[in-house]
This record gives sequence, C-alpha cells and structure tokens, in this order.
Amino acid sequence: DAKTTQPTSMDCAEGRAANLPCNHSTISGNEYVYWYRQIHSQGPQYIIHGLKNNETNEMASLIITEDRKSSTLILPHATLRDTAVYYCIVRVYGGSQGNLIFGKGTKLSVKP
Amino acid sequence: NAGVTQTPKFRILKIGQSMTLQCTQDMNHNYMYWYRQDPGMGLKLIYYSVGAGITDKGEVPNGYNVSRSTTEDFPLRLELAAPSQTSVYFCASLGGDTEAFFGQGTRLTVV
Repeated sequence: DAKTTQPTSMDCAEGRAANLPCNHSTISGNEYVYWYRQIHSQGPQYIIHGLKNNETNEMASLIITEDRKSSTLILPHATLRDTAVYYCIVRVYGGSQGNLIFGKGTKLSVKP
Repeated sequence: NAGVTQTPKFRILKIGQSMTLQCTQDMNHNYMYWYRQDPGMGLKLIYYSVGAGITDKGEVPNGYNVSRSTTEDFPLRLELAAPSQTSVYFCASLGGDTEAFFGQGTRLTVV
C-alpha cells in the first residue's frame, strides 16, 4: 500500500497559489518525499523531491514539516495547464529499495 | 536520448490472446517498472526490476510476466488476455539518484 494520504480533489483559481497537502506519518529517516503529476492521460512527470529542508525549483516549492510527517507542494501561480493529478510518494533516495508505489493522488482543477 | 519508449501505443486483443508490451530506455537506469492505470484510478505497480536478471512482483502481478535480460529492455507479457486487463500501461525507469521517467503509455483493450 501507498505510504501517503492525499485529499481526493482540490480547486484553485488561476493565478493563485495552489497548496497540495500530503500526510506521510510513517516515513522513515532515510526516505525522501517525491512529487509527480499526471496531466490527462500522459505518463507522470517529476516535479520536486526533498528530505527535510524546504526545496524550490522552477516548477514548485516543497514544504516539509519539522517532524517530517507531512508536506505541502506549492504551485505559486497556478495556470490552467497545471490542472492534473498530483501524486506524493516516499522512497529511499539512491537506495536499493526497488518498489515505487503511487497512491491515489489529488486531482487539482485550476479554474479561470 | 529518447528516454523511455513504449510500443505499441494502442492495441486491441481478443480474450485468450497473448501479447508483449515493449519498453526500452537509453539512460542506463537500473530500476524499471510496469504500471497499469484503469480509468479514473491511480497507478498500480505490476512488476519491477532493480537490474538485469532481477525482477519482483508489485501490487497486481497476476496475469502478467516480465523479464529483464538487458539493462535497456523490460518487456511485459500477457499470456491469456482477459477483459479485466483492459487498461493503460505505463513503463518507467529510474536511476539510483534521479527521478523516475515514464513512457507515454500503451492503451490496451481486451474484447
């Protein structure tokens, strides 16, 4: 089973920040939090990952709580093209653990 | 650098037929994965491989087989197709310290 829980769906107004939460209360010390998204029926696309510090790249920011039991993906200025299903995953970075389990994700709808 | 390539993109099978979904990657990644995605649902892991010659079952392996004779290729075999295997199939590869890259998917219909 997936080690994360996410809301089933969320709405966001175009141009506003989209904040997508994820709970991962059983995360291990060597597991990273990864975020992917899937637009329509395409293959999932990597967004960002982090261990315990906040991370930012050209697509998004990742905020991880101090106890690492939850995180939030932030899309600072959501556009209609950000409408997608967003998946939060935990896995060991660079480790030998093989499986990569996706949960049900959050369907984000960005509205004009 | 083509990334992850899946063939075919679409296929219709009759019940009981067999087929192989092809997946190849040119990034020299050790880890490869097969997922299925039913309409409106998330991705379910079928099989995965951590390197050539090594495969392991995922969440929903029944009705499928895989092999990994080379680093580049990870074919998925359906021996006796059933309507329940109608789905979109995604292949992915991952290096030890990189993100996973996905193919564009194979849409399979079993009638």
